[in-house]
Amino acid sequence: QVTLRESSPALVKPTQTLTLTCTFSGFSLTTTAMSVAWIRQPPGKALEWLARIDWDDDKYYIASLRTRLTISKDTSKNQVVLTMTDMDPVDTATYFCARGTVSAVAGTLFDYWGQGTLVTVSS
Amino acid sequence: DIQMTQSPSSLSVSVGDRVTITCRASQSLSSFLAWYQQKPGKAPKLLIFAASSLQSGVPSRFNGSGSGTDFTLTISSLQPEDFATYYCQQANSFPYSFGQGTKLEIK
Repeated sequence: QVTLRESSPALVKPTQTLTLTCTFSGFSLTTTAMSVAWIRQPPGKALEWLARIDWDDDKYYIASLRTRLTISKDTSKNQVVLTMTDMDPVDTATYFCARGTVSAVAGTLFDYWGQGTLVTVSS
Repeated sequence: DIQMTQSPSSLSVSVGDRVTITCRASQSLSSFLAWYQQKPGKAPKLLIFAASSLQSGVPSRFNGSGSGTDFTLTISSLQPEDFATYYCQQANSFPYSFGQGTKLEIK
């Protein structure tokens, strides 16, 4: 059974760096066409994709945050880590990780999600 | 980036109603469109992928249709557990942009 779980500090100060960890089970990021993505949702607002890392270590970032984001994976630990630098109160959000699979029929399908972790940015 | 425009943003409905939500993409997606349901404090749940394919375990009252730039999610007879926010999401290219969401509220 596929599960994902996010972990992070609940509170970070402005200008600090946030480190988010996604620990997953039930699949391997060494399997062709697998990926893990990070998505965030500010309180009461819509969902926003942040970054994705693929089984072959290809990485994708949303252009507006490209300079602040770094995604990496540790396949031996079944973990994906996202770091976001220079945090600001507008980055307050629930951060989700999700499993993606690429198919010719569906495009990139995100079928399993973690429960999310709320990160508040405040001094 | 592909822009997704979803409407309406909210809908007051009753149990048993037929509900239709629309989603328009700024460029053709072929059939690379997914629909999610999100309840407060929970992660999005995949309902429909490839525009019209029902995810395993999702009730058959949920139906997706469309291709290219125009898509529709229909709930044939709304159940109490269906009150939630629904998002469309393009699955064609990163970033996999979402619509703004449609919140179903009890009339």
